[in-house]
Amino acid sequence: SQQGEEDPQALSIQEGENATMNCSYKTSINNLQWYRQNSGRGLVHLILIRSNEREKHSGRLRVTLDTSKKSSSLLITASRAADTASYFCATPNSGGSNYKLTFGKGTLLTVNP
Amino acid sequence: GAGVSQSPRYKVTKRGQDVALRCDPISGHVSLYWYRQALGQGPEFLTYFNYEAQQDKSGLPNDRFSAERPEGSISTLTIQRTEQRDSAMYRCASSLPRPGSTDTQYFGPGTRLTVL
Repeated sequence: SQQGEEDPQALSIQEGENATMNCSYKTSINNLQWYRQNSGRGLVHLILIRSNEREKHSGRLRVTLDTSKKSSSLLITASRAADTASYFCATPNSGGSNYKLTFGKGTLLTVNP
Repeated sequence: GAGVSQSPRYKVTKRGQDVALRCDPISGHVSLYWYRQALGQGPEFLTYFNYEAQQDKSGLPNDRFSAERPEGSISTLTIQRTEQRDSAMYRCASSLPRPGSTDTQYFGPGTRLTVL
Protein backbone atom coordinates (compact mmCIF):
# COMPACT_ATOMS: atom_id res chain seq x y z
CA SER A 1 0.00 0.00 0.00
CA GLN A 2 1.09 3.56 -0.57
CA GLN A 3 2.63 5.30 2.41
CA GLY A 4 2.82 8.78 0.97
CA GLU A 5 0.14 10.58 -0.97
CA GLU A 6 1.02 13.64 -2.98
CA ASP A 7 -1.33 16.52 -3.51
CA PRO A 8 -2.29 17.82 -6.00
CA GLN A 9 -2.16 15.00 -8.54
CA ALA A 10 -1.42 17.54 -11.27
CA LEU A 11 -0.29 21.16 -11.29
CA SER A 12 0.13 23.53 -14.22
CA ILE A 13 1.88 26.88 -13.80
CA GLN A 14 3.65 29.53 -15.84
CA GLU A 15 7.41 29.84 -15.96
CA GLY A 16 8.66 32.04 -13.14
CA GLU A 17 5.87 31.13 -10.75
CA ASN A 18 6.38 29.06 -7.63
CA ALA A 19 5.09 25.49 -7.38
CA THR A 20 4.06 23.83 -4.13
CA MET A 21 3.43 20.12 -3.75
CA ASN A 22 2.33 18.35 -0.61
CA CYS A 23 2.84 14.87 0.73
CA SER A 24 1.01 13.14 3.55
CA TYR A 25 2.10 9.89 5.13
CA LYS A 26 0.66 7.47 7.62
CA THR A 27 3.26 5.99 9.93
CA SER A 28 6.23 7.31 11.89
CA ILE A 29 9.28 8.07 9.80
CA ASN A 30 12.91 8.91 10.40
CA ASN A 31 13.24 10.77 7.12
CA LEU A 32 11.32 11.75 4.00
CA GLN A 33 12.73 12.08 0.51
CA TRP A 34 11.63 13.82 -2.65
CA TYR A 35 12.38 12.49 -6.13
CA ARG A 36 11.81 13.88 -9.62
CA GLN A 37 10.99 11.80 -12.68
CA ASN A 38 11.36 13.38 -16.10
CA SER A 39 9.78 11.84 -19.15
CA GLY A 40 12.06 9.12 -20.45
CA ARG A 41 14.52 9.41 -17.57
CA GLY A 42 15.08 7.72 -14.26
CA LEU A 43 14.13 8.91 -10.83
CA VAL A 44 16.45 11.60 -9.54
CA HIS A 45 16.89 12.17 -5.82
CA LEU A 46 16.25 15.81 -4.94
CA ILE A 47 16.43 16.19 -1.20
CA LEU A 48 16.18 14.28 2.07
CA ILE A 49 14.79 15.78 5.26
CA ARG A 50 15.20 14.02 8.60
CA SER A 51 12.48 13.75 11.20
CA ASN A 52 14.26 16.19 13.51
CA GLU A 53 14.43 18.85 10.80
CA ARG A 54 11.60 21.24 9.98
CA GLU A 55 12.91 22.89 6.85
CA LYS A 56 15.65 22.30 4.34
CA HIS A 57 16.84 24.19 1.27
CA SER A 58 18.67 23.13 -1.85
CA GLY A 59 18.99 25.72 -4.59
CA ARG A 60 15.47 26.64 -5.71
CA LEU A 61 13.98 23.83 -3.63
CA ARG A 62 12.55 24.25 -0.16
CA VAL A 63 11.20 21.28 1.78
CA THR A 64 9.28 21.42 5.02
CA LEU A 65 8.34 18.59 7.33
CA ASP A 66 5.62 18.60 10.00
CA THR A 67 5.78 15.32 11.87
CA SER A 68 2.78 16.23 14.03
CA LYS A 69 0.62 16.46 10.91
CA LYS A 70 2.53 13.72 9.08
CA SER A 71 3.01 15.97 6.10
CA SER A 72 5.72 17.50 3.97
CA SER A 73 5.77 20.14 1.25
CA LEU A 74 8.10 20.76 -1.65
CA LEU A 75 8.35 24.32 -2.95
CA ILE A 76 10.06 25.07 -6.24
CA THR A 77 10.71 28.78 -6.64
CA ALA A 78 11.05 30.66 -9.93
CA SER A 79 10.02 27.60 -11.92
CA ARG A 80 11.47 26.81 -15.33
CA ALA A 81 10.14 24.75 -18.22
CA ALA A 82 12.83 22.17 -17.39
CA ASP A 83 11.15 21.60 -14.01
CA THR A 84 8.29 19.87 -15.82
CA ALA A 85 8.26 16.38 -14.33
CA SER A 86 6.53 14.10 -11.87
CA TYR A 87 7.53 14.61 -8.25
CA PHE A 88 7.33 11.82 -5.69
CA CYS A 89 7.76 11.73 -1.96
CA ALA A 90 9.21 8.55 -0.48
CA THR A 91 9.65 7.25 3.02
CA PRO A 92 11.77 4.36 4.24
CA ASN A 93 10.18 1.61 6.29
CA SER A 94 10.85 1.83 9.97
CA GLY A 95 12.91 -0.66 11.89
CA GLY A 96 15.33 -2.98 10.18
CA SER A 97 13.99 -2.54 6.68
CA ASN A 98 14.70 1.15 6.27
CA TYR A 99 16.16 0.47 2.84
CA LYS A 100 12.65 -0.19 1.53
CA LEU A 101 11.34 3.07 0.11
CA THR A 102 7.59 3.53 -0.20
CA PHE A 103 6.57 6.08 -2.81
CA GLY A 104 3.42 8.07 -3.29
CA LYS A 105 1.61 8.32 -6.62
CA GLY A 106 3.30 11.58 -7.49
CA THR A 107 2.39 15.09 -8.60
CA LEU A 108 2.67 15.87 -12.29
CA LEU A 109 4.03 19.40 -12.63
CA THR A 110 3.80 21.21 -15.95
CA VAL A 111 5.65 24.50 -16.29
CA ASN A 112 4.48 26.42 -19.33
CA PRO A 113 7.02 28.69 -21.06
CA GLY B 1 31.07 8.95 -12.91
CA ALA B 2 28.66 6.57 -14.59
CA GLY B 3 25.26 6.12 -13.03
CA VAL B 4 23.10 3.04 -12.75
CA SER B 5 22.52 1.46 -16.12
CA GLN B 6 19.80 -0.95 -17.14
CA SER B 7 19.28 -3.04 -20.23
CA PRO B 8 17.36 -3.41 -22.32
CA ARG B 9 15.61 -0.03 -22.10
CA TYR B 10 12.55 -1.49 -23.82
CA LYS B 11 11.42 -5.09 -24.02
CA VAL B 12 8.37 -6.38 -25.84
CA THR B 13 7.59 -10.03 -25.37
CA LYS B 14 4.75 -12.45 -25.88
CA ARG B 15 2.78 -13.90 -23.03
CA GLY B 16 4.40 -17.06 -21.72
CA GLN B 17 7.96 -16.10 -22.62
CA ASP B 18 10.72 -15.61 -20.04
CA VAL B 19 12.53 -12.27 -19.79
CA ALA B 20 15.74 -11.23 -18.07
CA LEU B 21 16.33 -7.62 -17.10
CA ARG B 22 19.82 -6.44 -16.26
CA CYS B 23 21.04 -3.82 -13.82
CA ASP B 24 24.58 -2.49 -13.57
CA PRO B 25 24.89 -0.46 -10.35
CA ILE B 26 27.22 2.43 -9.64
CA SER B 27 30.73 1.10 -9.12
CA GLY B 28 31.38 0.40 -5.47
CA HIS B 29 27.75 0.48 -4.38
CA VAL B 30 27.07 -2.57 -2.26
CA SER B 31 23.30 -2.25 -2.01
CA LEU B 32 21.03 -2.89 -4.97
CA TYR B 33 17.26 -2.62 -5.21
CA TRP B 34 14.60 -3.53 -7.74
CA TYR B 35 11.31 -1.66 -7.98
CA ARG B 36 8.33 -1.92 -10.31
CA GLN B 37 6.36 1.09 -11.45
CA ALA B 38 2.94 0.90 -13.05
CA LEU B 39 1.71 3.77 -15.19
CA GLY B 40 0.54 6.68 -13.06
CA GLN B 41 1.89 5.16 -9.87
CA GLY B 42 5.01 5.46 -7.79
CA PRO B 43 7.62 2.70 -7.73
CA GLU B 44 6.93 -0.33 -5.56
CA PHE B 45 9.69 -2.30 -3.87
CA LEU B 46 10.46 -5.77 -5.20
CA THR B 47 13.74 -6.96 -3.70
CA TYR B 48 17.03 -5.87 -2.10
CA PHE B 49 20.61 -7.14 -2.20
CA ASN B 50 23.51 -6.41 0.08
CA TYR B 51 26.58 -7.48 -1.88
CA GLU B 52 25.54 -10.82 -3.39
CA ALA B 53 23.08 -11.71 -0.64
CA GLN B 54 19.39 -11.25 -1.33
CA GLN B 55 18.31 -9.76 1.97
CA ASP B 56 14.67 -9.11 1.22
CA LYS B 57 12.44 -10.45 -1.53
CA SER B 58 9.16 -9.67 0.14
CA GLY B 59 7.99 -7.47 -2.73
CA LEU B 60 8.29 -10.09 -5.45
CA PRO B 61 4.67 -10.71 -6.51
CA ASN B 62 4.91 -14.48 -7.03
CA ASP B 63 7.35 -17.29 -7.74
CA ARG B 64 7.60 -16.41 -11.42
CA PHE B 65 9.81 -13.51 -10.34
CA SER B 66 13.38 -14.07 -9.21
CA ALA B 67 16.54 -12.02 -8.92
CA GLU B 68 20.21 -12.71 -8.49
CA ARG B 69 23.44 -10.83 -8.01
CA PRO B 70 26.03 -13.61 -8.05
CA GLU B 71 29.20 -11.51 -7.80
CA GLY B 72 27.83 -8.61 -5.83
CA SER B 73 27.74 -6.25 -8.79
CA ILE B 74 25.47 -6.79 -11.80
CA SER B 75 21.99 -8.05 -11.02
CA THR B 76 19.41 -9.83 -13.15
CA LEU B 77 15.67 -9.81 -12.56
CA THR B 78 14.01 -12.74 -14.30
CA ILE B 79 10.33 -13.12 -14.98
CA GLN B 80 9.23 -16.55 -16.12
CA ARG B 81 6.10 -17.29 -18.13
CA THR B 82 5.28 -13.61 -18.48
CA GLU B 83 1.70 -12.40 -18.23
CA GLN B 84 0.12 -9.19 -19.46
CA ARG B 85 -0.17 -7.91 -15.91
CA ASP B 86 3.64 -7.97 -15.68
CA SER B 87 3.79 -5.02 -18.08
CA ALA B 88 5.40 -2.12 -16.24
CA MET B 89 8.57 -0.09 -15.84
CA TYR B 90 11.17 -2.04 -13.87
CA ARG B 91 13.63 0.18 -12.04
CA CYS B 92 16.91 -0.65 -10.41
CA ALA B 93 18.67 1.46 -7.80
CA SER B 94 21.91 1.25 -5.89
CA SER B 95 23.36 2.86 -2.80
CA LEU B 96 26.48 2.95 -0.69
CA PRO B 97 25.24 2.34 2.83
CA ARG B 98 26.83 4.04 5.77
CA PRO B 99 26.31 2.88 9.36
CA GLY B 100 23.35 4.48 11.07
CA SER B 101 21.95 6.29 8.06
CA THR B 102 19.45 5.85 5.29
CA ASP B 103 21.37 6.29 2.11
CA THR B 104 20.30 7.92 -1.09
CA GLN B 105 19.18 5.40 -3.66
CA TYR B 106 20.34 6.24 -7.18
CA PHE B 107 17.97 4.99 -9.82
CA GLY B 108 18.63 3.80 -13.33
CA PRO B 109 16.55 4.75 -16.39
CA GLY B 110 14.43 1.62 -16.10
CA THR B 111 13.34 -1.12 -18.47
CA ARG B 112 9.89 -0.70 -19.98
CA LEU B 113 8.42 -4.21 -20.28
CA THR B 114 5.40 -4.82 -22.48
CA VAL B 115 3.83 -8.27 -22.53
CA LEU B 116 1.52 -8.84 -25.48
